[in-house]
Formats: sequence, structure tokens, C-alpha cells
Amino acid sequence: QKEVEQDPGPLSVPEGAIVSLNCTYSNSAFQYFMWYRQYSRKGPELLMYTYSSGNKEDGRFTAQVDKSSKYISLFIRDSQPSDSATYLCAMSPLYGGATNKLIFGTGTLLAVQP
Amino acid sequence: DAGVTQSPTHLIKTRGQQVTLRCSPKSGHDTVSWYQQALGQGPQFIFQYYEEEERQRGNFPDRFSGHQFPNYSSELNVNALLLGDSALYLCASSLSSSGNTIYFGEGSWLTVV
Repeated sequence: QKEVEQDPGPLSVPEGAIVSLNCTYSNSAFQYFMWYRQYSRKGPELLMYTYSSGNKEDGRFTAQVDKSSKYISLFIRDSQPSDSATYLCAMSPLYGGATNKLIFGTGTLLAVQP
Repeated sequence: DAGVTQSPTHLIKTRGQQVTLRCSPKSGHDTVSWYQQALGQGPQFIFQYYEEEERQRGNFPDRFSGHQFPNYSSELNVNALLLGDSALYLCASSLSSSGNTIYFGEGSWLTVV
């Protein structure tokens, strides 16, 4: 079993839809949770960063973490064709005075149709 | 403020050859990590450098080695290339004192033929 599981998609939605992207994980030591957006043949771009459980909102993006269920989500409101990309979840254990390695999901390919 | 820069962007090598990839971290960042991303997969952690020393290492063979220079820039070296080494190699930079806010470069696409 992989430490981080993510549905690879592809996920196709019409413009303006609410998108829900999810990851599950098995390692209870994970405390930091991130979402990256990766356009084709480009490097990952940090979208959202959350610590422990709870919600965080940034514009059209909302990240949720439920540590009791080992489940994280990214919601995109009013989706745009420019949101079409691969979305990667990533997580790491407790920060201990240094940057810890990230464990990534496989990524979900999202296509927003105009 | 320059982000993470990597070179070269694309390269093709033959099996058995050696390759060196280079990375300049984001201004002010002191920690560099390298990741390998195969097609259709998420990035896999190779290793991390801080204060010119390897701090953490993922599950990669000794053919993968690295270096960090006093100006925090870094190199990734891969010896005895295999077809399976074909991937996007990503450099990530961070500031050791600010936890896990990690930024990636655009990557170096390596094709081994």
C-alpha cells in the first residue's frame, strides 16, 4: 500500500463547476499537507499549505484536512479553463528544525471545459 | 526575486553515460532537495542538502550523488545511466528555519536512450 493515495483521474468538468480533489494517507506522522498544481511539462507550483487538521481558504481554493480520517481535500470554486492541470497532494511529518521530505500522491489530471 | 532555476532544461544521454544537473535555489533559501518524477507519477524524493552536506536520502542507489556549494546552489549527478532514469528531475528549495514551504524549479527533462 502506498503512503499516499490519489485518484489519477482524468477529471473533466464544465467551466464554473466546483471541483473536489482528494487524497488519503496511511502515515499518522504526517502533519504538513500541501497541494501543488503542475501544468504539462512544468515544475509543480505551490497552491496551498496547511498544518494539522482544519480548513484554509485562498481565493477560489479551499484546502481541508481531516487527520482522524487521514483524508485531505482541495476544492476549487468557479473553475476556469486555466485551472486545467495536474494537481498533486503532498505531505510530510512534523517539522523538526529542518525541511522534511515530501511524500506525493500520483496527481489528478483536471480538465475544465469552456 | 528569482525563483528556483535549473539547467539544462532538456538533455538526451546514452545508457552508461553520466549526467550532471544544476540548481540555484530561491534567493535566501539554504536547503536544496532533489526529486525524480517519472511520467504519470508524483515526484519521488532523492536527497536533500543543507550546509553542504547530505541530510536526508530517499530510496535511490549510490549512482545518484549530489553536492551543495557555499552559495547554496546544488548539483545532481547520475552515473551509469539506465533507461529507467528517464524522468523529470526537480530541484526544490526551502529555508531551513521556516519549515516546509517548499518551492520547485521547472525541472530538467532527462531522456536516456
